[in-house]
Amino acid sequence: GAVVSQHPSRVICKSGTSVKIECRSLDFQATTMFWYRQFPKQSLMLMATSNEGSKATYEQGVEKDKFLINHASLTLSTLTVTSAHPEDSSFYICSARDRGGVNSPLHFGNGTRLTVT
Amino acid sequence: RKEVEQDPGPFNVPEGATVAFNCTYSNSASQSFFWYRQDCRKEPKLLMSVYSSGNEDGRFTAQLNRASQYISLLIRDSKLSDSATYLCVVKEYRNAGGTSYGKLTFGQGTILTVHP
Repeated sequence: GAVVSQHPSRVICKSGTSVKIECRSLDFQATTMFWYRQFPKQSLMLMATSNEGSKATYEQGVEKDKFLINHASLTLSTLTVTSAHPEDSSFYICSARDRGGVNSPLHFGNGTRLTVT
Repeated sequence: RKEVEQDPGPFNVPEGATVAFNCTYSNSASQSFFWYRQDCRKEPKLLMSVYSSGNEDGRFTAQLNRASQYISLLIRDSKLSDSATYLCVVKEYRNAGGTSYGKLTFGQGTILTVHP
């Protein structure tokens, strides 16, 4: 079946550094990818929606200059957390929908657990 | 008010028990509804879609009441492997950058622990 690969699965970094998370669709082309964040004991919150070849659409309260999203190809989207701080420590998950349209299945990556020290 | 509300639990039940989860949503424009399960520190996985007529998948039964904006999930004959967090999810359609997409909004999740 369709697989979304997310890398790295876990990262620990120092405050002030930038971290890049990759999300790849392995056997389908994803025109739309979604980035979520989940703090402990809280729900997944949509951060932004990225469409291949265009700028990402950010949800209210998400800083686009801090969370840089690049969806340069139909199989790859990246999320860069710039100048990370301890409060950015969270579980980041991407998901992707194939080109079948808004009703096509949504596939989740296995998540990235970011810890900023 | 949260867009999707669930009782966080936890629900602790013995094997073989029947357990029901409830969920309410605030956006009447929501188009589609789902239950996902999420194991600890893992990504969510689709359990089942929820249809207005109600639907069943083995031991799992989902119900939707659009008038009350209420969704439920019933698990019969609980197994140890059912222990997880169950997420109520609603989808609405949006347009951005000339593309239509479905935005998923997740509930906080209900924690279920099935014990021997």
